[in-house]
Amino acid sequence: QKEVEQDPGPLSVPEGAIVSLNCTYSNSAFQYFMWYRQYSRKGPELLMYTYSSGNKEDGRFTAQVDKSSKYISLFIRDSQPSDSATYLCAMDSSYKLIFGSGTRLLVRP
Amino acid sequence: DAGVIQSPRHEVTEMGQEVTLRCKPISGHNSLFWYRQTMMRGLELLIYFNNNVPIDDSGMPEDRFSAKMPNASFSTLKIQPSEPRDSAVYFCASSGDRGQPQHFGDGTRLSIL
Repeated sequence: QKEVEQDPGPLSVPEGAIVSLNCTYSNSAFQYFMWYRQYSRKGPELLMYTYSSGNKEDGRFTAQVDKSSKYISLFIRDSQPSDSATYLCAMDSSYKLIFGSGTRLLVRP
Repeated sequence: DAGVIQSPRHEVTEMGQEVTLRCKPISGHNSLFWYRQTMMRGLELLIYFNNNVPIDDSGMPEDRFSAKMPNASFSTLKIQPSEPRDSAVYFCASSGDRGQPQHFGDGTRLSIL
């Protein structure tokens, strides 16, 4: 079993939809949780960064962490075609980041 | 603010040749990471430096791979000799103190023929 599980998609939604992306993990020692967005032929770009459980909101993006369920989510409101990318969850284990495999998102105009 | 800078962006070379990838981390960051990304295996950590010292190289695939960080603003990843299975995108990332997020460069797309 992988330490971090993420549905690879692809996930296709119409413009304006609310998108929900999720990861589950097995290591209860993880403390820092991140979402990265990766466009084709670019490096992962940090989107959201949270510590421990709770919610964090930044514009159209909301990150949720539920440590009791070992489950994290990223919500995108009013999705735009420019949100089309691969979204990677990542978790901190000491200095090492453990990445999910990424979910491909396509927002159709 | 300048981000993490990697060079070259693309490298195509023949099997057996030496390949050197370069990275300039964000100024002030004391941790540097080299990753490899493939469709099959996703993002894999190759090596981690802290304050220019290699701390964890357990992800380096084999002795053909080596990495150095001679100073706080420069690191290299070398493959010698290169093989077709080394073809991948190689990313460099840097971060500040523990708990700070990693920031990635745009990678080097490496093709070994």
